[in-house]
Amino acid sequence: DADVTQTPRNRITKTGKRIMLECSQTKGHDRMYWYRQDPGLGLRLIYYSFDVKDINKGEISDGYSVSRQAQAKFSLSLESAIPNQTALYFCATSDSGTDNYGYTFGSGTRLTVV
Amino acid sequence: RKEVEQDPGPFNVPEGATVAFNCTYSNSASQSFFWYRQDCRKEPKLLMSVYSSGNEDGRFTAQLNRASQYISLLIRDSKLSDSATYLCVYNFNKFYFGSGTKLNVKP
Repeated sequence: DADVTQTPRNRITKTGKRIMLECSQTKGHDRMYWYRQDPGLGLRLIYYSFDVKDINKGEISDGYSVSRQAQAKFSLSLESAIPNQTALYFCATSDSGTDNYGYTFGSGTRLTVV
Repeated sequence: RKEVEQDPGPFNVPEGATVAFNCTYSNSASQSFFWYRQDCRKEPKLLMSVYSSGNEDGRFTAQLNRASQYISLLIRDSKLSDSATYLCVYNFNKFYFGSGTKLNVKP
């Protein structure tokens, strides 16, 4: 099993629908992140959480919300999806004690809003 | 100014060539540095950490110049399988990613 699992892998949804992307990890890391990636724009941080009771906005949080249900689970919601939220979404984890080891990413969720 | 600046490329090189990428970062207090590799439509994967003294992993050599705030990656004897996008990353409380440099290694 993957260390960081994202579900679903692919999703097509209609404008105005609420959608949740889920992320779970088995690495025991305390920190979790949600990024989106668009061609030519690189990875942009949406939200991040340094532990279960900590939630922080990233550079592009408008239109998104998150929930850290447990240390191992971090979900991203689009309350009312719009077409410009079509992107590749990645969840990532890191350990505060070993940040020198970098992030571990999930395999990504390809979201299309029509 | 972007936190991390990279030449987007693409760098088109023949097999066996040596290729170098540079990136600059804005935060002089950055704590740690990395190169990630990303294949098309896949997740980024850690290629190597970058240390002040420079470090090598097989055909890959990474260098950090804190005074000039840049990081470099050198790939020797390029293989077709090296074709990917290479992301420059630094960590200061959280990770900051460059947009990536695309490498195409041709037969």
